[in-house]
Amino acid sequence: DTGVSQNPRHKITKRGQNVTFRCDPISEHNRLYWYRQTLGQGPEFLTYFQNEAQLEKSRLLSDRFSAERPKGSFSTLEIQRTEQGDSAMYLCASSLREGADQPQHFGDGTRLSIL
Amino acid sequence: AQTVTQSQPEMSVQEAETVTLSCTYDTSESDYYLFWYKQPPSRQMILVIRQEAYKQQNATENRFSVNFQKAAKSFSLKISDSQLGDAAMYFCAYRKYTGTASKLTFGTGTRLQVTL
Repeated sequence: DTGVSQNPRHKITKRGQNVTFRCDPISEHNRLYWYRQTLGQGPEFLTYFQNEAQLEKSRLLSDRFSAERPKGSFSTLEIQRTEQGDSAMYLCASSLREGADQPQHFGDGTRLSIL
Repeated sequence: AQTVTQSQPEMSVQEAETVTLSCTYDTSESDYYLFWYKQPPSRQMILVIRQEAYKQQNATENRFSVNFQKAAKSFSLKISDSQLGDAAMYFCAYRKYTGTASKLTFGTGTRLQVTL
């Protein structure tokens, strides 16, 4: 069990550029979640997958954001035409299966800075 | 919509002492889970303790225990015998018990400092 892995750890980009983050969940975890955490705030839910199916998206996930989990393993989160307000820590979490009692295991996050 | 409120942005405790972090929440659901997560500086968030709303007994994990008051919608975390390694951001979180809404709803966090 190697834990949830996120890459890159840090991303600095100019406003208007596209960025893509990757998340590798714990092996055999079929649920994968994306959260966004801005400075001084708790994480806010963006979206989650059960296997390759995207089951819920927050209204925070504007049309510039897209997430995929093509084979039910790793996931990518892409932000197009980045804006200053996108600067945040993007957290990925996974859990073994459905069930509110199932703990979500978090990765270290990807910190995005928009210049 | 569910909301989670942590009214203490920062707390401080001396090593070996006890500290209590507060959390209140709002929900119309009767069944749900509550969690406390710890986020050390520049490190990943880890689960500290969880509580099922249908259980009256307060959860305990070693030095960590909760005081769950369902009617008051209060869920505080008590850390006993505080250690330097307990210094971190602590987030209270809520999760619906059933249905496909499997997300966690977090509070804004409490930064805990542990002093010698």
